[in-house]
Amino acid sequence: DQQVKQNSPSLSVQEGRISILNCDYTNSMFDYFLWYKKYPAEGPTFLISISSIKDKNEDGRFTVFLNKSAKHLSLHIVPSQPGDSAVYFCAASGGGSNYKLTFGKGTLLTVNP
Amino acid sequence: GAGVSQSPSNKVTEKGKDVELRCDPISGHTALYWYRQSLGQGLEFLIYFQGNSAPDKSGLPSDRFSAERTGGSVSTLTIQRTQQEDSAVYLCASSRDRSSYEQYFGPGTRLTVT
Repeated sequence: DQQVKQNSPSLSVQEGRISILNCDYTNSMFDYFLWYKKYPAEGPTFLISISSIKDKNEDGRFTVFLNKSAKHLSLHIVPSQPGDSAVYFCAASGGGSNYKLTFGKGTLLTVNP
Repeated sequence: GAGVSQSPSNKVTEKGKDVELRCDPISGHTALYWYRQSLGQGLEFLIYFQGNSAPDKSGLPSDRFSAERTGGSVSTLTIQRTQQEDSAVYLCASSRDRSSYEQYFGPGTRLTVT
């Protein structure tokens, strides 16, 4: 029972264009969502988050959108840079055990020069 | 260093042996988590420590897995009688406290059971 789903295992975009990474969840009790970025042989690093009381959070080139009715969130990176190439994990928290993060399987983003 | 550190970075062990994985959280962080990532999978929660409270062990996959946190800082994850399906990257994370959602991860320990 996968509560957080990232249906695209990989995404390839050109440098300077927009990258859109998608995430769906099934547990309506989730109330906080995070995106992590992971390079090979390193641990995930926190990128951006959003509370369920918001529908958008922006930080520089990164914007996360949340659609609660659709149980869907997305991460937009614009403009994309080659250094953004990494695996991106969507994670969710809440439901009474709000310290646990439930992760998706990740999307490998490749930004081509 | 200022980040979460883990040791060893890589561990190869024979099936049936016991292994110990170590985590040093960020200084001052009271919450500590263990996750594992198997090939092609997302991160799977294993266990959570918060201060002096009883740990949440609900994610441990079997009784061969155990963890402790001494003095509210360093944590050790022990896997007894390792099996091939235990092969994964074991990641430790810490956060400031229970109310902080943002967790900071170490580089992980890649465990290979042959």
